[in-house]
Amino acid sequence: DQQVKQNSPSLSVQEGRISILNCDYTNSMFDYFLWYKKYPAEGPTFLISISSIKDKNEDGRFTVFLNKSAKHLSLHIVPSQPGDSAVYFCAASAGVSGGGADGLTFGKGTHLIIQP
Amino acid sequence: DTGVSQNPRHKITKRGQNVTFRCDPISEHNRLYWYRQTLGQGPEFLTYFQNEAQLEKSRLLSDRFSAERPKGSFSTLEIQRTEQGDSAMYLCASSLGQFSPQHFGDGTRLSIL
Repeated sequence: DQQVKQNSPSLSVQEGRISILNCDYTNSMFDYFLWYKKYPAEGPTFLISISSIKDKNEDGRFTVFLNKSAKHLSLHIVPSQPGDSAVYFCAASAGVSGGGADGLTFGKGTHLIIQP
Repeated sequence: DTGVSQNPRHKITKRGQNVTFRCDPISEHNRLYWYRQTLGQGPEFLTYFQNEAQLEKSRLLSDRFSAERPKGSFSTLEIQRTEQGDSAMYLCASSLGQFSPQHFGDGTRLSIL
């Protein structure tokens, strides 16, 4: 049973436009959410995170939105650049509220393709 | 800034052999994690250390798997009597603690012949 779902295996966006990647979760104990970017033959690279006490976090071109009532988060990339082409993983943790640091639960990823 | 380092990058072995992987975390990070990733999936959590203490193990970590972090610095993951299903990318990550993101190494790709 997948607790973190990324329902779009791939997404194609024109260079300069906004990329929106979506993620849904089912475990209401999750309270810390992260986005990672992965190139082939490399490990995941941390992009941005958000805790459940916030609904938005911004870092440069990257913004993460969290809708707790819908158990949904999204990553916005504006403007999209060719180097953004990669697989993006959504991840969640239930550790903070539990006083520990659980391992992350990942979605299956979305392959973002930025077209020139 | 030295990131998380994993060795070897690739390991090919015959079914039934034992293998050991090493992870060197970012130096000031006291938390270390092991994950496994197979094709088309996201990384799956295996186990977690805070300093030298192994605090959590996933049900994915069968009896053939053992992990250590003897001095709270580097960690090793050993798989005994390898099986075909053990073929995967094994990822290590480290973090400073709560509210701190995990930073990953580039992984060890294990292929079982």
